[in-house]
Amino acid sequence: GNSVTQMEGPVTLSEEAFLTINCTYTATGYPSLFWYVQYPGEGLQLLLKATKADDKGSNKGFEATYRKETTSFHLEKGSVQVSDSAVYFCALSDGTNAGKSTFGDGTTLTVKP
Amino acid sequence: KAGVTQTPRYLIKTRGQQVTLSCSPISGHRSVSWYQQTPGQGLQFLFEYFSETQRNKGNFPGRFSGRQFSNSRSEMNVSTLELGDSALYLCASSLVELAASSGANVLTFGAGSRLTVL
Repeated sequence: GNSVTQMEGPVTLSEEAFLTINCTYTATGYPSLFWYVQYPGEGLQLLLKATKADDKGSNKGFEATYRKETTSFHLEKGSVQVSDSAVYFCALSDGTNAGKSTFGDGTTLTVKP
Repeated sequence: KAGVTQTPRYLIKTRGQQVTLSCSPISGHRSVSWYQQTPGQGLQFLFEYFSETQRNKGNFPGRFSGRQFSNSRSEMNVSTLELGDSALYLCASSLVELAASSGANVLTFGAGSRLTVL
């Protein structure tokens, strides 16, 4: 079956530091890959996505590249802000069913001023 | 454009009771999925409904059930509540596309219903 493995957290960084959250996946075929973010007291919201190998998803300064050879989709941001503090989830969808995605365990990011 | 609306946001029940949660998807979204989020298990897929039919079901006992109405609104029900059912229940809607490779399987989540079982 499909699976997603995220680096263990929590992650604590100072403002303006570089962020990397590792994500690897196991899936059959050619899944679409996603990063979702969850702020306290809220549901998940899409941060970025990539639908095929070598695609780069980007949004709000965050980037992730779909690497099929290493089955990875690492999240990066060059300079984090306090407002980026949240839980980040890597996820995949194999495209066979719209509503079923497989999520990683989530990584809690805390950014200190 | 209204987002995904879940009600109630918070509720407290006791063991043995049952609970019904409601979800109104984004207008035009025909797929509605439910997930259970707990600190220990993360996000676990419960089931998905499309055009009033359950298309997928996760590994949960039969106490967990759901349905979808003709207007795409969905409800999930948990009967004979157990302490371990305490969780944030998230509903997500999705715009179904024809091409599996279109990458359109983006889930739009509601804020969730936080259930506490005492």
